[in-house]
Amino acid sequence: DSGVTQTPKHLITATGQRVTLRCSPRSGDLSVYWYQQSLDQGLQFLIQYYNGEERAKGNILERFSAQQFPDLHSELNLSSLELGDSALYFCASSGQMGTGRNEQFFGPGTRLTVL
Amino acid sequence: QQQVKQSPQSLIVQKGGISIINCAYENTAFDYFPWYQQFPGKGPALLIAIRPDVSEKKEGRFTISFNKSAKQFSLHIMDSQPGDSATYFCAPHNDMRFGAGTRLTVKP
Repeated sequence: DSGVTQTPKHLITATGQRVTLRCSPRSGDLSVYWYQQSLDQGLQFLIQYYNGEERAKGNILERFSAQQFPDLHSELNLSSLELGDSALYFCASSGQMGTGRNEQFFGPGTRLTVL
Repeated sequence: QQQVKQSPQSLIVQKGGISIINCAYENTAFDYFPWYQQFPGKGPALLIAIRPDVSEKKEGRFTISFNKSAKQFSLHIMDSQPGDSATYFCAPHNDMRFGAGTRLTVKP
């Protein structure tokens, strides 16, 4: 158990809909990362937040947005969903104070299926 | 854009054999070189990592070899076991740009 939680585990929805994925980082971690992993594909970095502020942006579509709240949990919002958005979405956290390493700890993922 | 090139894309090894996965990077400022292991349906997890002040690090059957001048680092899995079957990602400097992944299959 990495200490990172993600909800829901599975999500099935229709094209054109909007969904919200939730992530709670490990206790004390300030950074949250979102990744998309399509079937048999690598990890595509979407976005990073650090202590509530956007820190880095990857290949995130304009239909997608994210935020990190004062309690450090994060949400990834996906709108106008398309079939191609079906994928595993992972959240990771890092930056626990005092470790000196920025190893990323991954959650179990949310499997999104768009029908 | 920083490039991370991982090879091979897939690898099939017999039980007891040696698995070797390579990762090449561009940014000479990177100072942390991890490998992540991902089992199907699970999130990746850190397997082993090395800092550039050493050329090799061994943890059990897993070894990282680091070549600073070539800007490459490799993962060696000795005495490969079926339980090692997974996808392996390099992520130099935890820069969010993971390698494309290597799917390792260890046949009994």
